[in-house]
Amino acid sequence: QVQLVESGGGVVQPGRSLRLSCAATRFTFSSSVMHWVRQAPGKGLEWVAVIWYDGSEQYYADSVKGRFTISRDNYRNTLYLQMNSLRTEDTAVYYCVRELEGLDYWGQGTLVTVSS
Amino acid sequence: QSVLTQPPSVSGAPGQRVTISCTGTSSTIGTSYAVHWYQQLPGTAPKLLIYGNNYRPSGVPDRFSGSKSGTSASLAISGLQAEDEADYYCQSYDSSLSGYVFGTGTKVTVL
Repeated sequence: QVQLVESGGGVVQPGRSLRLSCAATRFTFSSSVMHWVRQAPGKGLEWVAVIWYDGSEQYYADSVKGRFTISRDNYRNTLYLQMNSLRTEDTAVYYCVRELEGLDYWGQGTLVTVSS
Repeated sequence: QSVLTQPPSVSGAPGQRVTISCTGTSSTIGTSYAVHWYQQLPGTAPKLLIYGNNYRPSGVPDRFSGSKSGTSASLAISGLQAEDEADYYCQSYDSSLSGYVFGTGTKVTVL
């Protein structure tokens, strides 16, 4: 069974940085398009970023463009999200998600709280 | 921001059929890009429910069905059960934003 395990969440002050990681197992990570999706407390789902299987292309939601960077290490089967210049509105559970036909496997999520 | 619009809530008695609409635009659902649906039970991560407009992943009951027409899509739940109480989201791609988009979400309540 596909496993996606996020880590790196926590409490951070506005303007600071945080890096999330997602360890992928039990599927061919290097052949998979991967996403980050977030959900603010009590709110709906918001797509954050996507990266091609080989890392050649990345796309971002306007709300994070220029501040967040998605990357991957296909040797370590790990997906990353570097989050800079964090804002209070970035507070959310961040999910690591695989795309095959639709977003077919989701991690359990890691909570990021941006607060002074 | 969400560019796919869903009703905030729908409800039905056990055994009834409910439908959830997902309204997009000519740059989202009105394109050739597929619509997918997700179910999120309280306190859990979302789960893929329907992919490619109307296909069910293995393990999803055939009570769930999807359709797409023009700039809208729909999710139907027939034979509503208590375990179907959850939030449901549609998702597609926005060619004008070069990004993926989710619907605003619909809470299904079983009366």
